[in-house]
Amino acid sequence: KAGVTQTPRYLIKTRGQQVTLSCSPISGHRSVSWYQQTPGQGLQFLFEYFSETQRNKGNFPGRFSGRQFSNSRSEMNVSTLELGDSALYLCASSRDARTEAFFGQGTRLTVV
Amino acid sequence: GENVEQHPSTLSVQEGDSAVIKCTYSDSASNYFPWYKQELGKRPQLIIDIRSNVGEKKDQRIAVTLNKTAKHFSLHITETQPEDSAVYFCAATSRGAGSEKLVFGKGMKLTVNP
Repeated sequence: KAGVTQTPRYLIKTRGQQVTLSCSPISGHRSVSWYQQTPGQGLQFLFEYFSETQRNKGNFPGRFSGRQFSNSRSEMNVSTLELGDSALYLCASSRDARTEAFFGQGTRLTVV
Repeated sequence: GENVEQHPSTLSVQEGDSAVIKCTYSDSASNYFPWYKQELGKRPQLIIDIRSNVGEKKDQRIAVTLNKTAKHFSLHITETQPEDSAVYFCAATSRGAGSEKLVFGKGMKLTVNP
């Protein structure tokens, strides 16, 4: 059974640019959640998609957006990048919030 | 909104000692409490979870306890080994605007010294 796959693994972008990250969940999982991980801040919830609908959203500015496709693959977009957006972005897939969430390897974003 | 507090933020123990990580949550409706382990450079992975209708759960050297009245839950690792060194995250479900979501604590870095 294939795990959660995130692409790309690493990204370097310049301030002001935008970026799109991709997450392919485990087959059969319709819930995909995105987290930002920075040292000392743990895993901060960005948003969750279920069957192509955003069900929950964290406390991040509108520059952070996402979507989910009919095959459950999800993308996250960050526009007008800031230096503080540098982080590891993790996605996790699950059947629902009360079952095990499986994480991808993450995308390491560096904004210079 | 839901808040999950985790402490301590770092813990160093000698091999063979026990380690305890404590978490508190604010949403009284929380009903699922997983614990994740993240080794350096790797993805977080579930090590144990507990649901609100259970007070304690064990799996070999690890155990989790839940006190719903006090809204706190703890992870206990006995006979620690160097490979237990990692960052441990607790989490709790919280009902958002649409449905439940998982809210994580900030993590605790455990170092097991040989």
